[in-house]
Amino acid sequence: GENVEQHPSTLSVQEGDSAVIKCTYSDSASNYFPWYKQELGKRPQLIIDIRSNVGEKKDQRIAVTLNKTAKHFSLHITETQPEDSAVYFCAASIKTGYSTLTFGKGTMLLVSP
Amino acid sequence: AAGVIQSPRHLIKEKRETATLKCYPIPRHDTVYWYQQGPGQDPQFLISFYEKMQSDKGSIPDRFSAQQFSDYHSELNMSSLELGDSALYFCASSLYQRTSGRATYNEQFFGPGTRLTVL
Repeated sequence: GENVEQHPSTLSVQEGDSAVIKCTYSDSASNYFPWYKQELGKRPQLIIDIRSNVGEKKDQRIAVTLNKTAKHFSLHITETQPEDSAVYFCAASIKTGYSTLTFGKGTMLLVSP
Repeated sequence: AAGVIQSPRHLIKEKRETATLKCYPIPRHDTVYWYQQGPGQDPQFLISFYEKMQSDKGSIPDRFSAQQFSDYHSELNMSSLELGDSALYFCASSLYQRTSGRATYNEQFFGPGTRLTVL
């Protein structure tokens, strides 16, 4: 089955800095890659996703890049703010209508004022 | 916009008891997924349903069962509860669309979760 590795496990930055979280996946058939943000005790919330026919996608301060050859994808957050502090999960799935998600282990992002 | 609804939000049970968790997907969504998340861990996929049929199965213990009903809500039934079953249980829903005969993948939206504590 699919295996998703995520690094780093914790990331501390100063407010205004950029943050980068990286994930690799094992199954070359995977071609949907969402990112979720989860605050303590709350639900995972989809913040951005990318499909395999796209190399990069941006939404305001958040961007995701995908390298299918190397089987890795990354989340980039610019101009970080304290409210960006949370656990971020990457995930991968195969493109079928009801495909399940395989999650990475998560990255705890701490943004200090 | 309507979101995924889960009930109850909190549940405390004794060992060997049973529990039933309910999930009401976003209106018009036809696919439901159940995930288990232990403290400090990533969500682990348990089971999913599409159009009331089981579509995929993950690491769901034999003590657990689930189904999706005609109104698309789903229930996760947990029996012979163990201490290790204490976790957050999330339900997610998505819409399986067909475009020109080809299936497309749609985003999964998570409910608020049920926190199960087994004493």
